[in-house]
Amino acid sequence: DVKVTQSSRYLVKRTGEKVFLECVQDMDHENMFWYRQDPGLGLRLIYFSYDVKMKEKGDIPEGYSVSREKKERFSLILESASTNQTSMYLCASSQPSTETQYFGPGTRLLVL
Amino acid sequence: RKEVEQDPGPFNVPEGATVAFNCTYSNSASQSFFWYRQDCRKEPKLLMSVYSSGNEDGRFTAQLNRASQYISLLIRDSKLSDSATYLCAVNKVKAAGNKLTFGGGTRVLVKP
Repeated sequence: DVKVTQSSRYLVKRTGEKVFLECVQDMDHENMFWYRQDPGLGLRLIYFSYDVKMKEKGDIPEGYSVSREKKERFSLILESASTNQTSMYLCASSQPSTETQYFGPGTRLLVL
Repeated sequence: RKEVEQDPGPFNVPEGATVAFNCTYSNSASQSFFWYRQDCRKEPKLLMSVYSSGNEDGRFTAQLNRASQYISLLIRDSKLSDSATYLCAVNKVKAAGNKLTFGGGTRVLVKP
């Protein structure tokens, strides 16, 4: 069965802190994605990776960076958290041969 | 105009009734279409892919109208458990890595 896990379900951080969100998939998928989901704005792509050490900016990359050192793991980094980064963060993965994306359970981040 | 648009709803549906809603997309070259279901405070899960000929999965029917650039989802004999937000997703044309653009979601509330 397809499985994508995220390191935390809920996270509270202070403004200016460096925040790491981790995502692990066990399906040997090449593609991995980070989205944020906000009411009224839907799912917006932050970054995606199509291979180890390969990454590409999505629609809203500002204030974020990513790391993919191993195929199964994709990390999202908030270099200096700000209150406008309070959101639900969702990780997803997919195979290149199909566009179906499988999502992790999400991390609700609150930045105070 | 947004790339993918949905009526946010909510669609209030009596149990046992039929409900249908659409998702419009702006890029006529889009080739792949999906419906995802998202329960409250949970991750999106693939409901069904949408094929050119339309497809049916039990009480759910998805259709594609290329001429008018929309996809539709119809739910027959609505159950209380069908209450959720339904997200449509469309592939990003000429984009590497099988990226999808998601609509903002249509909320469906099935009531006894």
